[in-house]
Amino acid sequence: EVQLVESGGDLVQPGGSLRLSCAASGFTFSDHYMDWVRQAPGKGLEWVGRIRNKANSYTTEYAASVKGRFTVSRDDSKNSLFLQMNSLKTEDTAVYYCARSMITVTPYSFDYWGQGTLVTVSS
Amino acid sequence: DIQMTQSPSSLSASVGDRVTITCRASQGITNYLAWFQQKPGKAPKSLIYAASSLQSGVSSKFSGSGSGTDFTLTISSLQPEDFATYYCQQYNSYPFTFGGGTKVEIK
Repeated sequence: EVQLVESGGDLVQPGGSLRLSCAASGFTFSDHYMDWVRQAPGKGLEWVGRIRNKANSYTTEYAASVKGRFTVSRDDSKNSLFLQMNSLKTEDTAVYYCARSMITVTPYSFDYWGQGTLVTVSS
Repeated sequence: DIQMTQSPSSLSASVGDRVTITCRASQGITNYLAWFQQKPGKAPKSLIYAASSLQSGVSSKFSGSGSGTDFTLTISSLQPEDFATYYCQQYNSYPFTFGGGTKVEIK
Protein backbone atom coordinates (compact mmCIF):
# COMPACT_ATOMS: atom_id res chain seq x y z
CA GLU A 1 0.00 0.00 0.00
CA VAL A 2 1.35 3.39 -1.01
CA GLN A 3 1.73 5.71 1.96
CA LEU A 4 2.98 9.28 2.16
CA VAL A 5 3.27 10.83 5.60
CA GLU A 6 4.21 14.49 6.00
CA SER A 7 5.66 15.97 9.14
CA GLY A 8 7.40 19.11 10.36
CA GLY A 9 4.57 21.61 10.19
CA ASP A 10 4.64 24.23 12.93
CA LEU A 11 4.02 27.83 13.92
CA VAL A 12 6.90 30.02 12.74
CA GLN A 13 7.50 33.76 12.70
CA PRO A 14 7.73 35.74 9.46
CA GLY A 15 11.27 35.57 8.12
CA GLY A 16 11.84 32.22 9.77
CA SER A 17 12.65 28.81 8.34
CA LEU A 18 11.09 25.37 8.48
CA ARG A 19 11.84 21.98 6.98
CA LEU A 20 9.03 19.63 6.04
CA SER A 21 9.48 15.91 5.50
CA CYS A 22 7.47 13.32 3.64
CA ALA A 23 8.10 9.66 4.46
CA ALA A 24 7.20 7.30 1.63
CA SER A 25 6.48 3.58 1.76
CA GLY A 26 4.82 0.87 -0.26
CA PHE A 27 6.53 1.64 -3.57
CA THR A 28 9.97 2.14 -5.13
CA PHE A 29 10.44 5.76 -4.07
CA SER A 30 13.57 6.31 -6.14
CA ASP A 31 11.71 5.70 -9.41
CA HIS A 32 9.21 8.53 -8.97
CA TYR A 33 9.20 12.27 -9.36
CA MET A 34 7.74 13.87 -6.24
CA ASP A 35 5.83 17.11 -5.73
CA TRP A 36 4.71 19.52 -3.03
CA VAL A 37 1.28 21.17 -3.21
CA ARG A 38 -0.16 23.59 -0.66
CA GLN A 39 -3.56 24.87 0.34
CA ALA A 40 -4.07 28.08 2.28
CA PRO A 41 -6.96 28.03 4.79
CA GLY A 42 -10.26 28.06 2.93
CA LYS A 43 -8.54 28.37 -0.45
CA GLY A 44 -7.75 26.19 -3.43
CA LEU A 45 -4.73 24.09 -4.31
CA GLU A 46 -1.40 25.61 -5.34
CA TRP A 47 1.49 23.60 -6.78
CA VAL A 48 4.77 24.44 -5.00
CA GLY A 49 7.53 22.40 -6.60
CA ARG A 50 8.78 19.12 -8.06
CA ILE A 51 11.92 17.04 -7.89
CA ARG A 52 12.73 14.51 -10.56
CA ASN A 53 14.39 11.15 -10.02
CA LYS A 54 18.06 10.19 -10.17
CA ALA A 55 17.76 9.22 -13.84
CA ASN A 56 16.83 12.85 -14.47
CA SER A 57 19.56 14.25 -12.24
CA TYR A 58 17.24 15.21 -9.38
CA THR A 59 16.40 18.44 -11.17
CA THR A 60 13.74 20.68 -9.69
CA GLU A 61 10.95 23.04 -10.71
CA TYR A 62 9.27 25.71 -8.57
CA ALA A 63 6.32 28.03 -8.51
CA ALA A 64 7.31 31.67 -8.90
CA SER A 65 5.86 32.46 -5.46
CA VAL A 66 8.44 30.26 -3.71
CA LYS A 67 11.41 30.23 -6.09
CA GLY A 68 14.58 31.33 -4.33
CA ARG A 69 13.06 30.75 -0.88
CA PHE A 70 12.00 27.07 -0.95
CA THR A 71 14.11 24.04 -1.87
CA VAL A 72 12.81 20.57 -2.67
CA SER A 73 15.20 17.70 -2.00
CA ARG A 74 15.07 13.96 -1.48
CA ASP A 75 17.00 11.12 0.12
CA ASP A 76 16.27 7.95 -1.82
CA SER A 77 18.17 5.85 0.73
CA LYS A 78 15.62 6.90 3.35
CA ASN A 79 12.56 7.07 1.06
CA SER A 80 12.10 10.65 2.08
CA LEU A 81 11.15 13.93 0.44
CA PHE A 82 11.90 17.32 1.95
CA LEU A 83 10.82 20.93 1.58
CA GLN A 84 13.19 23.51 3.05
CA MET A 85 11.32 26.78 3.49
CA ASN A 86 13.26 29.97 4.19
CA SER A 87 12.28 33.63 4.48
CA LEU A 88 8.74 32.58 5.29
CA LYS A 89 5.91 35.02 4.75
CA THR A 90 2.42 35.12 6.25
CA GLU A 91 1.06 34.15 2.83
CA ASP A 92 2.94 30.83 3.07
CA THR A 93 0.48 29.73 5.76
CA ALA A 94 -1.09 26.56 4.40
CA VAL A 95 -1.46 22.83 4.63
CA TYR A 96 1.43 21.32 2.66
CA TYR A 97 0.88 18.03 0.84
CA CYS A 98 3.43 15.79 -0.77
CA ALA A 99 2.24 13.96 -3.87
CA ARG A 100 3.67 11.10 -5.89
CA SER A 101 3.95 11.44 -9.64
CA MET A 102 3.00 8.57 -11.88
CA ILE A 103 5.75 6.96 -13.93
CA THR A 104 3.67 5.12 -16.51
CA VAL A 105 2.68 7.88 -18.92
CA THR A 106 4.58 11.10 -19.61
CA PRO A 107 4.18 13.84 -18.66
CA TYR A 108 3.59 12.73 -15.12
CA SER A 109 0.42 13.55 -13.23
CA PHE A 110 -0.07 12.89 -9.52
CA ASP A 111 -1.62 9.70 -8.23
CA TYR A 112 -1.14 9.51 -4.46
CA TRP A 113 -1.21 12.28 -1.85
CA GLY A 114 -0.16 12.49 1.77
CA GLN A 115 -2.49 13.71 4.53
CA GLY A 116 -0.78 17.09 4.80
CA THR A 117 1.02 19.09 7.46
CA LEU A 118 0.03 22.59 8.62
CA VAL A 119 2.47 25.48 8.46
CA THR A 120 1.41 28.70 10.16
CA VAL A 121 3.48 31.83 9.64
CA SER A 122 2.54 34.46 12.18
CA SER A 123 4.10 36.78 14.73
CA ASP B 1 1.38 30.80 -16.72
CA ILE B 2 -1.62 28.81 -17.90
CA GLN B 3 -4.83 29.89 -16.18
CA MET B 4 -7.41 27.20 -15.41
CA THR B 5 -11.03 28.33 -15.08
CA GLN B 6 -13.64 26.00 -13.62
CA SER B 7 -17.37 26.44 -13.81
CA PRO B 8 -19.55 26.53 -11.95
CA SER B 9 -17.78 27.43 -8.70
CA SER B 10 -20.53 25.61 -6.83
CA LEU B 11 -23.61 23.60 -7.61
CA SER B 12 -26.45 21.94 -5.74
CA ALA B 13 -27.59 18.53 -6.88
CA SER B 14 -29.63 15.59 -5.68
CA VAL B 15 -28.61 11.99 -5.17
CA GLY B 16 -28.90 10.24 -8.50
CA ASP B 17 -28.33 13.37 -10.59
CA ARG B 18 -25.86 13.50 -13.47
CA VAL B 19 -23.38 16.29 -12.82
CA THR B 20 -20.98 17.96 -15.24
CA ILE B 21 -18.15 20.32 -14.30
CA THR B 22 -16.19 22.23 -16.91
CA CYS B 23 -12.59 23.40 -16.94
CA ARG B 24 -11.06 25.75 -19.48
CA ALA B 25 -7.36 26.38 -20.02
CA SER B 26 -6.08 29.78 -21.15
CA GLN B 27 -4.02 28.03 -23.84
CA GLY B 28 -3.89 24.58 -25.33
CA ILE B 29 -2.68 21.81 -23.05
CA THR B 30 -3.34 18.83 -25.37
CA ASN B 31 -4.83 16.31 -22.92
CA TYR B 32 -2.53 16.93 -19.95
CA LEU B 33 -5.38 17.54 -17.55
CA ALA B 34 -6.12 15.89 -14.22
CA TRP B 35 -9.12 15.95 -11.89
CA PHE B 36 -9.04 15.68 -8.10
CA GLN B 37 -11.69 15.28 -5.42
CA GLN B 38 -11.32 16.81 -1.98
CA LYS B 39 -13.57 16.35 1.02
CA PRO B 40 -13.49 18.77 3.97
CA GLY B 41 -10.42 18.34 6.14
CA LYS B 42 -9.02 15.62 3.88
CA ALA B 43 -6.24 15.37 1.33
CA PRO B 44 -7.13 15.53 -2.35
CA LYS B 45 -7.77 12.25 -4.13
CA SER B 46 -6.69 11.71 -7.72
CA LEU B 47 -9.58 10.75 -10.00
CA ILE B 48 -8.54 11.21 -13.62
CA TYR B 49 -5.35 11.87 -15.60
CA ALA B 50 -4.73 12.53 -19.27
CA ALA B 51 -8.19 14.11 -19.44
CA SER B 52 -10.07 10.83 -19.58
CA SER B 53 -8.06 8.02 -17.94
CA LEU B 54 -9.39 6.79 -14.63
CA GLN B 55 -6.93 6.37 -11.78
CA SER B 56 -6.71 2.85 -10.41
CA GLY B 57 -9.53 2.06 -8.02
CA VAL B 58 -11.69 5.04 -8.98
CA SER B 59 -15.35 4.33 -9.68
CA SER B 60 -16.42 4.28 -13.34
CA LYS B 61 -19.23 6.71 -12.49
CA PHE B 62 -16.53 9.36 -12.96
CA SER B 63 -15.57 10.20 -16.51
CA GLY B 64 -13.54 12.91 -18.17
CA SER B 65 -13.35 14.27 -21.65
CA GLY B 66 -11.84 17.05 -23.71
CA SER B 67 -8.63 18.18 -25.29
CA GLY B 68 -6.94 21.43 -26.17
CA THR B 69 -8.55 24.03 -23.94
CA ASP B 70 -11.96 22.64 -22.92
CA PHE B 71 -12.53 19.75 -20.56
CA THR B 72 -15.34 18.20 -18.56
CA LEU B 73 -15.72 15.95 -15.54
CA THR B 74 -18.98 14.02 -15.34
CA ILE B 75 -20.41 12.11 -12.41
CA SER B 76 -23.04 9.79 -13.85
CA SER B 77 -25.19 9.27 -10.78
CA LEU B 78 -24.36 11.38 -7.76
CA GLN B 79 -24.08 9.50 -4.48
CA PRO B 80 -23.77 10.89 -0.93
CA GLU B 81 -20.03 10.16 -0.87
CA ASP B 82 -19.52 12.32 -3.99
CA PHE B 83 -20.38 15.59 -2.28
CA ALA B 84 -17.01 17.32 -2.26
CA THR B 85 -14.93 19.94 -4.02
CA TYR B 86 -13.46 19.04 -7.40
CA TYR B 87 -10.33 20.59 -8.92
CA CYS B 88 -8.85 20.40 -12.38
CA GLN B 89 -5.11 20.80 -12.95
CA GLN B 90 -2.94 21.21 -16.02
CA TYR B 91 0.44 19.51 -16.13
CA ASN B 92 1.34 20.44 -19.67
CA SER B 93 3.88 23.03 -18.57
CA TYR B 94 5.44 24.52 -15.46
CA PRO B 95 4.18 25.95 -13.24
CA PHE B 96 1.40 23.41 -12.86
CA THR B 97 -1.84 25.24 -12.18
CA PHE B 98 -5.18 24.30 -10.67
CA GLY B 99 -8.66 25.52 -11.31
CA GLY B 100 -10.42 27.36 -8.50
CA GLY B 101 -12.55 24.37 -7.58
CA THR B 102 -16.20 23.36 -7.87
CA LYS B 103 -18.05 22.62 -4.67
CA VAL B 104 -20.78 20.02 -5.15
CA GLU B 105 -23.43 20.33 -2.45
CA ILE B 106 -26.59 18.46 -1.58
CA LYS B 107 -29.84 20.00 -2.81
